[in-house]
Amino acid sequence: AQSVTQPDIHITVSEGASLELRCNYSYGATPYLFWYVQSPGQGLQLLLKYFSGDTLVQGIKGFEAEFKRSQSSFNLRKPSVHWSDAAEYFCAVGGGYQKVTFGTGTKLQVIP
Amino acid sequence: EAGVAQSPRYKIIEKRQSVAFWCNPISGHATLYWYQQILGQGPKLLIQFQNNGVVDDSQLPKDRFSAERLKGVDSTLKIQPAKLEDSAVYLCASSLGPGGAGNTIYFGEGSWLTVV
Repeated sequence: AQSVTQPDIHITVSEGASLELRCNYSYGATPYLFWYVQSPGQGLQLLLKYFSGDTLVQGIKGFEAEFKRSQSSFNLRKPSVHWSDAAEYFCAVGGGYQKVTFGTGTKLQVIP
Repeated sequence: EAGVAQSPRYKIIEKRQSVAFWCNPISGHATLYWYQQILGQGPKLLIQFQNNGVVDDSQLPKDRFSAERLKGVDSTLKIQPAKLEDSAVYLCASSLGPGGAGNTIYFGEGSWLTVV
């Protein structure tokens, strides 16, 4: 069965610092991979997704993610974090018309 | 473009009572989902519809939860009777086609349920 692991429950970074959120997946074939962001009291919003092709994917709000098949990873990065990026981030995997499975999330705190 | 609409936003009920949540997906979206998100956890798929047919309801507690999607548009999720562990946010979402085929899933703001 497909699964997603986000090893970091909570991360704190200083405003202006770089950010990397980790995501490892388990899937039997080439997956579809997604990163969503959830602000408090809101639904989830898609940041970016990977299907195939270029392994470095650009998303909204200055985020990017890199697909590494050998490591079964799809880590999310941002070179300079803004206070408005404080939220919870979810990695998800899908494929083969099966359901999309979400990870448990990483809560990002941004300090001045 | 209007997003996914859900109501009510907040509901407090006593255990063993019933509750119903309503969802109106984005126009033209064939796939509709209900997710349960317990505090501190990721969304868990309860049921997925393709038009008005059920694609996946493997994680729906069928002894107490039911969902329908009449005419392939709006959907209702019902819980009867509610248990304390049902306290969660119920997220409705929709997409043009199955998310597992790479379609972007659009989420509503959620319906917050507290069972006391």
